[in-house]
Amino acid sequence: GQNIDQPTEMTATEGAIVQINCTYQTSGFNGLFWYQQHAGEAPTFLSYNVLDGLEEKGRFSSFLSRSKGYSYLLLKELQMKDSASYLCAVSDSNYQLIWGAGTKLIIKP
Amino acid sequence: ETGVTQTPRHLVMGMTNKKSLKCEQHLGHNAMYWYKQSAKKPLELMFVYSLEERVENNSVPSRFSPECPNSSHLFLHLHTLQPEDSALYLCASSQEIARGPDTQYFGPGTRLTVL
Repeated sequence: GQNIDQPTEMTATEGAIVQINCTYQTSGFNGLFWYQQHAGEAPTFLSYNVLDGLEEKGRFSSFLSRSKGYSYLLLKELQMKDSASYLCAVSDSNYQLIWGAGTKLIIKP
Repeated sequence: ETGVTQTPRHLVMGMTNKKSLKCEQHLGHNAMYWYKQSAKKPLELMFVYSLEERVENNSVPSRFSPECPNSSHLFLHLHTLQPEDSALYLCASSQEIARGPDTQYFGPGTRLTVL
């Protein structure tokens, strides 16, 4: 079967760095997405990785290792507004998105 | 308006009611999606439309009935729902499907409560 695993909840301190991991087992791979979802709001696109390595976009970076079926989202200089759920999704061989359950990130002052 | 909009934002209905959810995208996309989001569970893909044609129906109960009159509008008709259908229903759109991994853009969702 297809499976995406990510931690249910994480807590971090304002100004710090946090890494949210995602492991996957899917039938085929056509890229991995990270989305951010604030409570009661729409998921919004953060990043897309299809090749191994690190993609940096401001305070957010996303890493992919296809051989390990592993990705992480790195958030630097955390701000209170980063409190949200972070969703990992993999595009499978049919380009269908397989979603993880999301990681709720709590930022404390 | 821009992006993807959904109405209503909140809906409470009894099990014998009939209601409809509406989604509209202003992005010029060709594909639209309905997802169900329940607490602490992955997004569940319900239906996919490409150029107004349904291309995916993931074993969704017949009490959910989608309609796509044109590439900008998508409806989800609801009837005789069960309490376990209470969830956040999200609409999304993307440029294309099955030609590459396209970024999906989501609406804010409809919070549905079935009594």
